[in-house]
Amino acid sequence: NAGVTQTPKFRILKIGQSMTLQCTQDMNHNYMYWYRQDPGMGLKLIYYSVGAGITDKGEVPNGYNVSRSTTEDFPLRLELAAPSQTSVYFCASSYGGLDQPQHFGDGTRLSIL
Amino acid sequence: GDSVTQMEGPVTLSEEAFLTINCTYTATGYPSLFWYVQYPGEGLQLLLKATKADDKGSNKGFEATYRKETTSFHLEKGSVQVSDSAVYFCALRYGGATNKLIFGTGTLLAVQP
Repeated sequence: NAGVTQTPKFRILKIGQSMTLQCTQDMNHNYMYWYRQDPGMGLKLIYYSVGAGITDKGEVPNGYNVSRSTTEDFPLRLELAAPSQTSVYFCASSYGGLDQPQHFGDGTRLSIL
Repeated sequence: GDSVTQMEGPVTLSEEAFLTINCTYTATGYPSLFWYVQYPGEGLQLLLKATKADDKGSNKGFEATYRKETTSFHLEKGSVQVSDSAVYFCALRYGGATNKLIFGTGTLLAVQP
């Protein structure tokens, strides 16, 4: 069972470069989320989507963009990478409906130097 | 705004010791509450949840009771094992049907044989 798959697992970027973090799920979940995890800070929601073609901002959206053209995929785009975006990024998905558990990928560790 | 506060770690215990990880929350209304666990190198996974006051969530020997009067959701286990070593996150749901979560900062548990 693949679940939520994130690629790449690790990446080093230079300041000002751009990249896309990939996330795909095979559970036919409507809802998908992107979080960043910083040491001692817990997880912060970047963007989320409740279905294909629908996205919305979370707590910390600045510097990021997302799209949701299919149910399965929810890529996160970093434009003009900055050192403050060094973090571990997690993608998650869930069924719709209250209190459905979120299923997480294994994360992408991103360093910007 | 809504928030979650967890006890700071690390918490270091010997095998078979009793575990308590404190979690308190601030929220409007009565949000659903969750504990997620993150094993080394992995994404988060749901451990247990409670959706209304006085509910007790339980799983794998862990328990937590939703206490409205003290706005708390403390995690407990009677006898920990080395395999329980992980980071534990308390979370609350906000934003209605979008199932967005606010996470605490996480508590690292290290169990020694």
